[in-house]
Parts: sequence; structure tokens; C-alpha cells
Amino acid sequence: QKEVEQNSGPLSVPEGAIASLNCTYSDRVSQSFFWYRQYSGKSPELIMSIYSNGDKEDGRFTAQLNKASQYVSLLIRDSQPSDSATYLCAVNQRGGATNKLIFGTGTLLAVQP
Amino acid sequence: DGGITQSPKYLFRKEGQNVTLSCEQNLNHDAMYWYRQDPGQGLRLIYYSQIVNDFQKGDIAEGYSVSREKKESFPLTVTSAQKNPTAFYLCASSLQGSEAFFGQGTRLTVV
Repeated sequence: QKEVEQNSGPLSVPEGAIASLNCTYSDRVSQSFFWYRQYSGKSPELIMSIYSNGDKEDGRFTAQLNKASQYVSLLIRDSQPSDSATYLCAVNQRGGATNKLIFGTGTLLAVQP
Repeated sequence: DGGITQSPKYLFRKEGQNVTLSCEQNLNHDAMYWYRQDPGQGLRLIYYSQIVNDFQKGDIAEGYSVSREKKESFPLTVTSAQKNPTAFYLCASSLQGSEAFFGQGTRLTVV
């Protein structure tokens, strides 16, 4: 089982719709969870971080965390063509004194005008 | 400006040659990371460091080496033992357990 799993997509949604991106992780003691957006040929940029169960909203983005189910998701409301990118889920794993940041393979989102 | 800087942006390596990728940050972050990204793939962890003079292997450390002599700097050497080094290399830094920020990346090509 991969440490962080995402559906590679592509996920295609029409402009103005809600895009839903999902991620599962294997390490139960993980404490910190992040969503990054990566445009083709560029480095990832942070969109959201979430540390506790429930929802966290920031503008058009909502991150949802369920530690019991080891599941984290990202909702993008009113999707725009400029949201078309690869979305990477990242999990911070703690092992003794070390923190290890592990990424999923990413989900490609295509927003159709 | 505060941030994380990688250099060079593009790098060409001949067969059998070692090359070193630079990563510098002035964010006062303790943790630094190196990732490799192949086309259409996610980020795979090569090495990471939590404090100066200490670092740990990630999932694909073979053929790579690092040092952490200063808090600000975490250079990555791609050795001749790495048989398929062509990839996009990303350096990141963070406070412990917190979100990581990335440099602009180095695109390495074997010629």
C-alpha cells in the first residue's frame, strides 16, 4: 500500500462546478496534511494546510480531514479554467524525532470553459 | 526577499559525471527536503534533514548524497551511481511538522 494515495485523473469538471479531490494515507499517527497545486513545468505551491478533523475553508477552497478514516479531501467551488493543474496531497509523518513529508502522485484537474 | 532558492535552473550532465544542485533558504526553517519528479509522476523523497549536521535517507536515496553544514543550505550531489538522473529536482524547507515551501526547481538532463 502506498503511503499517500490519490486518483491520478484526469478529473474533468465544467467551469463553475465543484471539483472534489481525494487522498488517503496509511500512517495513522500522521498529524499534518497539505494540498499543493502544481502547474506544468513549475514547482508546487501551497493551497491549504489542515491539522485537525473537520473542515477548513479559505476562499473557494475547503479542505476536509477525517483521521479515523485516514482521508483528506479538497473541494474547489466555482471552478475556473485557471484552476486546471495537478493537485498534490502531502502528509507529514512523524517517526521518533523526525518529520518526513510524503506526497501522493497527484490528481490532474481539467476545468472546461 | 525571504524564500528558497535553487540553482541552476537547468543542468546538463555527462555520463559518469557527478553534479551538485544548490538549495539555499533564508526562512530560518529547520527542515529541508529534496524530491525528484519524473514526467507525469508525483514527488519522490530523496533525502531530508531536520537539523544541521544530520540527515536521513528518503525512499530513493541510492546514487545521491547530501550535506547539511549550515542551516540555510542543503546541497544535493547526483553521483555517477545514479543511472537514470534525468528529472526535475525540487528542494523544500519547513518548520518542523508545518507546511513546506519549494524552490523553483532544477531540471537535470543527461547528455
